[in-house]
Amino acid sequence: TQLLEQSPQFLSIQEGENLTVYCNSSSVFSSLQWYRQEPGEGPVLLVTVVTGGEVKKLKRLTFQFGDARKDSSLHITAAQTGDTGLYLCAGPSDSGAGSYQLTFGKGTKLSVIP
Amino acid sequence: NAGVTQTPKFQVLKTGQSMTLQCAQDMNHEYMSWYRQDPGMGLRLIHYSVGAGITDQGEVPNGYNVSRSTTEDFPLRLLSAAPSQTSVYFCASSYAGGRSEQYFGPGTRLTVT
Repeated sequence: TQLLEQSPQFLSIQEGENLTVYCNSSSVFSSLQWYRQEPGEGPVLLVTVVTGGEVKKLKRLTFQFGDARKDSSLHITAAQTGDTGLYLCAGPSDSGAGSYQLTFGKGTKLSVIP
Repeated sequence: NAGVTQTPKFQVLKTGQSMTLQCAQDMNHEYMSWYRQDPGMGLRLIHYSVGAGITDQGEVPNGYNVSRSTTEDFPLRLLSAAPSQTSVYFCASSYAGGRSEQYFGPGTRLTVT
């Protein structure tokens, strides 16, 4: 079973600060997805990283996929209250029929205080 | 497009009762799945389907049944509700399973007393 560990579990910061959250595994993933979930809603995809060492930017959010494709990070610059939510990383299981299954980390709950 | 819809939004059951959570999508996706989300546990896969007539178990299938008679619908049945099934349930659909974007419904919050 491929596991994804996310850290920190909770993060509370002031508006304008920078932060980084991590998604780590002992297994290699063919790709990793990052989702954001707001209270009372389902997760929404932010980005998918596919290539080892890949860096993707989405406005103030920067996503990186580790060279060995076992880990990923999300960096937010100058956090805003609208960034508040649960950030989840997810990756497809090994191969074959298992690739239909998506494994999720437990998430990082981010609170941005005005 | 409505995307993925789920009903009901909230439900309270007594132990031993049965019910069906409804899920429908209008994106013509072959792959659909059911997850449960509990505090501190993330999203765990209950059952999934790779097309009409084809279903399989995920990580936590016990106590749940599914069927897929059409591409659009993927209902989740609780046969005899237990307090351990108190959770928020999400249905998702995608074009290509775990290797593609998952589109989630708004969730059903279920409480079993």
